[in-house]
Amino acid sequence: GDSVTQMEGPVTLSEEAFLTINCTYTATGYPSLFWYVQYPGEGLQLLLKATKADDKGSNKGFEATYRKETTSFHLEKGSVQVSDSAVYFCAFNTNAGKSTFGDGTTLTVKP
Amino acid sequence: NAGVTQTPKFQVLKTGQSMTLQCAQDMNHNSMYWYRQDPGMGLRLIYYSASEGTTDKGEVPNGYNVSRLNKREFSLRLESAAPSQTSVYFCASSEIYTGYTFGSGTRLTVV
Repeated sequence: GDSVTQMEGPVTLSEEAFLTINCTYTATGYPSLFWYVQYPGEGLQLLLKATKADDKGSNKGFEATYRKETTSFHLEKGSVQVSDSAVYFCAFNTNAGKSTFGDGTTLTVKP
Repeated sequence: NAGVTQTPKFQVLKTGQSMTLQCAQDMNHNSMYWYRQDPGMGLRLIYYSASEGTTDKGEVPNGYNVSRLNKREFSLRLESAAPSQTSVYFCASSEIYTGYTFGSGTRLTVV
């Protein structure tokens, strides 16, 4: 069935380090792919998305590329800040509309 | 601000009490969802509504009921609250192939 596998956390980095959070998916059809961010005490916010193969989504310095051949959508950022500390969720949906979410990866960035 | 509005933000119930969580969106989205989020469990879908007039069960529907009152509003009812329903509840809305817009959550404690 449909599923999302995310890199397990927690991930702890120093400020200005390079970030990668891995995400792979199993889906029928041609999904749209998403990354969401959840800051402490808040709801999830859409961070970026990609709707077809080789698309690159980007926002706030974060990037992810839709890799159909490896069914992956890894999240990257070149230089993380303390303010990036949050939980990150990978997700996809198909033409049914309902999304499938990963379990979330907690990122802590230390000064 | 445009988005998804949930009420209340916090609630404490005694075991056996009932309550309704309210959700409204002003983006003219067709689909709406209720999730619960527990530590270490990620997001779990309780119920969803693909369009006005339809509702379907998600992964964890037991103990809950929903009403899609109109296109804007989707409420979640706990008929007889149990401690196992202590959680953070999120409402979300979407269109096909778009990401979700989440509300800020309702933090429910059942004692």
